Amino acid sequence: QVQLVESGGGVVQPGRSLRLSCAASGFTFKSYAMHWVRQAPGKGLEWVAVITYDGGKKYSADSVKGRFTISRDNSKSTLYLQMDTLRPEDTALYYCARVQGGTTSGNIDLWGQGTLVTVS
Amino acid sequence: SYALTQPPSVSVAPGKTARITCGGNNIGSKGVHWYQQKPGQAPVLVINYDNDRPSGIPERISGTNSGNTATLTISRVEAGDEADYYCQVWHGISDPSVVFGGGTKLTVL
Repeated sequence: QVQLVESGGGVVQPGRSLRLSCAASGFTFKSYAMHWVRQAPGKGLEWVAVITYDGGKKYSADSVKGRFTISRDNSKSTLYLQMDTLRPEDTALYYCARVQGGTTSGNIDLWGQGTLVTVS
Repeated sequence: SYALTQPPSVSVAPGKTARITCGGNNIGSKGVHWYQQKPGQAPVLVINYDNDRPSGIPERISGTNSGNTATLTISRVEAGDEADYYCQVWHGISDPSVVFGGGTKLTVL
């Protein structure tokens, strides 16, 4: 079935690194732009980064710029988020999400269940 | 940077109409998307591009967008509508970003 499954979360000390993965299945991954969106415990949604269908363009939130890198491997139908120099305020549930249509500016029509990152 | 403002909470009795606003500078010029999130679950799209309902979303849920305010309207509210609701836009050209509103907790009395 159509789904996104995140992995790679865990507990990490401040200043360390972590790489999240998101495995896509049931659809043509290489045709879609993809986001990472996070949600701190008890808080709202916060956009992290987006990547075009071919990986040619990437945009990220100011709060993670220079520390987090979004990437993808279309041959493996997998999205990644490399998180460096982690801070306690990066603690959150990280969602992988698909953009409807072929551009980066559309709505999100598919979400994973998230992977929890705790920086402490 | 661009900001979207939502009321933290809205309460409504069953069968009544709930209206959740999303304020932003000239938001009427942008496409607004709305998501519903229930506890422990991932968000679900309920309205895209201001007023388009995805398949499976009941007609009781609708959206409008004009000027500086977008509004999500839920008619004949049911207990199952109790959730957090988020508005979202795509903003910018040279260094674009996704912006979410702070979210509104809808409580069904």
